[in-house]
Amino acid sequence: TQTVSQSDAHVTVFEGDSVELRCNYSYGGSIYLSWYIQHHGRGLQFLLKYYSGNPVVQGVNGFEAEFSKSDSSFHLRKASVHWSDSAVYFCAVRGGDGGYKVVFGSGTRLLVSP
Amino acid sequence: EAAVTQSPRNKVTVTGGNVTLSCRQTNSHNYMYWYRQDTGHGLRLIHYSYGAGNLQIGDVPDGYKATRTTQEDFFLLLELASPSQTSLYFCASTTGGVNTLYFGAGTRLSVL
Repeated sequence: TQTVSQSDAHVTVFEGDSVELRCNYSYGGSIYLSWYIQHHGRGLQFLLKYYSGNPVVQGVNGFEAEFSKSDSSFHLRKASVHWSDSAVYFCAVRGGDGGYKVVFGSGTRLLVSP
Repeated sequence: EAAVTQSPRNKVTVTGGNVTLSCRQTNSHNYMYWYRQDTGHGLRLIHYSYGAGNLQIGDVPDGYKATRTTQEDFFLLLELASPSQTSLYFCASTTGGVNTLYFGAGTRLSVL
């Protein structure tokens, strides 16, 4: 079965800084990876996804993520954050074996200070 | 954009009570999911389904039943609610493949 680990529960940066939110997964086969964002009091919204091809994928609002099979990672990055990026970010994994079980990490709360 | 509607938005019940959470999507999505969100645990999968009449067990199924009555409707049932089930519950749906999940706004359940 697949598992997801987000090692940083909280990350604080200043507006204009770059940020990387870490995601590591465990699964033996092909895999689908996604990132979602949750603003306070809201449901989750999709940011980006990876299944195959170019390991660097672009998402909405300037976010990108890089897949590494050797590190079992799918870290999310943004070059210059804005205060409105403050939210909780979740990494999600679905095994590519035909099943549709989607497992989420524990989330990283990003706080962007003005 | 795909719409997923959860009801009620807030619910308070007592220990031992019977609760049904409802989720409806009108986007012809095949797959539907129930998650609970708790501080420090993120989203944990309770049950999921890939069509009417189908039910798959998630990672934290104890104390929960679910039923997918139609392609649109997926219900989560707590027949003997306990305080440990106090949580924020999310429903999500997707067409399948590499497609993304669309989430409802959540149901906040308090079990006193």
